Amino acid sequence: DQQVKQNSPSLSVQEGRISILNCDYTNSMFDYFLWYKKYPAEGPTFLISISSIKDKNEDGRFTVFLNKSAKHLSLHIVPSQPGDSAVYFCAAWGFGAGSYQLTFGKGTKLSVIP
Amino acid sequence: DTGVSQDPRHKITKRGQNVTFRCDPISEHNRLYWYRQTLGQGPEFLTYFQNEAQLEKSRLLSDRFSAERPKGSFSTLEIQRTEQGDSAMYLCASSSRAGVVETQYFGPGTRLLVL
Repeated sequence: DQQVKQNSPSLSVQEGRISILNCDYTNSMFDYFLWYKKYPAEGPTFLISISSIKDKNEDGRFTVFLNKSAKHLSLHIVPSQPGDSAVYFCAAWGFGAGSYQLTFGKGTKLSVIP
Repeated sequence: DTGVSQDPRHKITKRGQNVTFRCDPISEHNRLYWYRQTLGQGPEFLTYFQNEAQLEKSRLLSDRFSAERPKGSFSTLEIQRTEQGDSAMYLCASSSRAGVVETQYFGPGTRLLVL
């Protein structure tokens, strides 16, 4: 059972517009959330994180929003740039498969069109 | 470059053979993680070391898999009697916990293909 869900496998956005990537989770014990970006043939790269005690964290063009009651978080990229084209993974710290671990969603492939 | 490195980057083997992968973490990081990623999925946690101690193992880690970090620096992941289902990208990550914040830094991965 997927505890971290990214229901959109792909997203296309025009350069300069806002990209919104969504993530839902089922485990209410998750206490820390992260977004990673992955280019082909590279490992995931940390982007931004948020603690469960906050509802917003901002870093430059990237903002993560957390709605604990809805078990939902989103990543906003404004303005989107062609270099943002990558696969974005949502991840959460908590217990899963018998251990305390970082659980990842399946990813959303973002394409920013020039 | 002082990032996480993994060797080899690609490995093709025949079913039933043993394979070993190496991970060199960022030098000041005391935590090291192994993940497996298959097509269309996110990385799945396999195991975790703090220094040389293996502290967590996922139920995904069958008894054909063994990981070591003998001196608390580099780590190896061995798969014995490989099966076609072991074909995946094997990712290593390292971190150094700072308070409640832990950011993992990933290597480029080792892509395994079992024929």
